[in-house]
Amino acid sequence: DAKTTQPTSMDCAEGRAANLPCNHSTISGNEYVYWYRQIHSQGPQYIIHGLKNNETNEMASLIITEDRKSSTLILPHATLRDTAVYYCIVRVATGGFKTIFGAGTRLFVKA
Amino acid sequence: DVKVTQSSRYLVKRTGEKVFLECVQDMDHENMFWYRQDPGLGLRLIYFSYDVKMKEKGDIPEGYSVSREKKERFSLILESASTNQTSMYLCASSLEYEQYFGPGTRLTVT
Repeated sequence: DAKTTQPTSMDCAEGRAANLPCNHSTISGNEYVYWYRQIHSQGPQYIIHGLKNNETNEMASLIITEDRKSSTLILPHATLRDTAVYYCIVRVATGGFKTIFGAGTRLFVKA
Repeated sequence: DVKVTQSSRYLVKRTGEKVFLECVQDMDHENMFWYRQDPGLGLRLIYFSYDVKMKEKGDIPEGYSVSREKKERFSLILESASTNQTSMYLCASSLEYEQYFGPGTRLTVT
């Protein structure tokens, strides 16, 4: 599975959009980009995934560059409850394969 | 909603004890996983299973074993607990794309 690089931490004001970047320059053609988050003292929670098109769901939007070497997770109106560690992961789609979690980005949403 | 439950939120065991951590999922998922999470090391995969009675080693299987006798249940076993196995243990299940995680068990070995 391709390696990802994320900033260690970021701040965001409550109500503003939080844009979390991820670099995955060695991504292969059959690998998807996944995002999870982990709120303190809880298990990780799936947010969104995509292959090459931009994706949106009720939680977030995922923007993938045309060359697929980087992506951005967007939380359109961050709330204090969005304070968490956000993990960007690249892997093949099949569920049976392991998912490698890196260090992630610690997002602090401030009032 | 998918629900993954773990038998205990907090557990304290003594060195040398045999420890069982249980995980149950209610969505008929094929795949189940056990991770441990430690500060500065992130989540590391211990074992996973893609079918009943099937298991595969993850990145750090030493000192652990697993059992999957029924599709919904995946057990992690510490044959002889040691202090370096003090950690947060997370179970997950998946069908195809996303993994669903349980709340975690914080195990302390004294």
